[in-house]
Amino acid sequence: EVQLVESGGGLVKPGGSLRLSCAASGFTFTSHTMNWVRQAPGKGLEWVSSISTSSSYMYYADSVKGRFTISRDNAKNSLYLQMNSLRAEDTAVYYCARKRLTGDHLGPFDIWGRGTMVTVSS
Amino acid sequence: EIVMTQSPATLSVSPGERATLSCRASQSVSSDLAWYQQKPGQAPRLFIYGASTRATGIPVRFSGSGSGTEFTLTISSLQSEDFAVYYCQQYNNWPRTFGQGTKVEIK
Repeated sequence: EVQLVESGGGLVKPGGSLRLSCAASGFTFTSHTMNWVRQAPGKGLEWVSSISTSSSYMYYADSVKGRFTISRDNAKNSLYLQMNSLRAEDTAVYYCARKRLTGDHLGPFDIWGRGTMVTVSS
Repeated sequence: EIVMTQSPATLSVSPGERATLSCRASQSVSSDLAWYQQKPGQAPRLFIYGASTRATGIPVRFSGSGSGTEFTLTISSLQSEDFAVYYCQQYNNWPRTFGQGTKVEIK
């Protein structure tokens, strides 16, 4: 079964750090660009970051640039999001999502995890 | 940044009726447009990509159309399981951007 399972969420104080993980199974992880998407409570979806198959390119939303770092370990079939200098507005469910396999860097997100909740509050 | 604007925000439809959702991009995204369905407490699910291609397992009552800046998701005959929030997303440019969503509710 194709699956993505996020972990690492929790309650953190403003200015704190958190590292999210996403464990992939059931597919060839090394073939897919991977992504993080978040959703604040009661709000819509916001793309956060993407990383290519060999980590040769990484993109970030302006709202997290300089504070968040995406990475992957292809040997462990895992995706990560290191979040530093957290703010109240980073409070959200964070989803790990797989880019559909295409011949280029363009593609929708065809597999999503269930998400992990991050709450930034004092 | 490409801004995606969905309309209406809420659509009230009776079961069996047709629903038409719109998505507009602030600049051309070619056909690099996806639609996702999200139900409460669940992750989004890919329904349409390439503006008009149904994802695996999506019923034929769902259809997508459009290119450039104007896109439409049509549900030909709403079933009870179709009441949810639908998001469009462009993947033509960075940053990837989503519309604010259209909630399809029971009339």
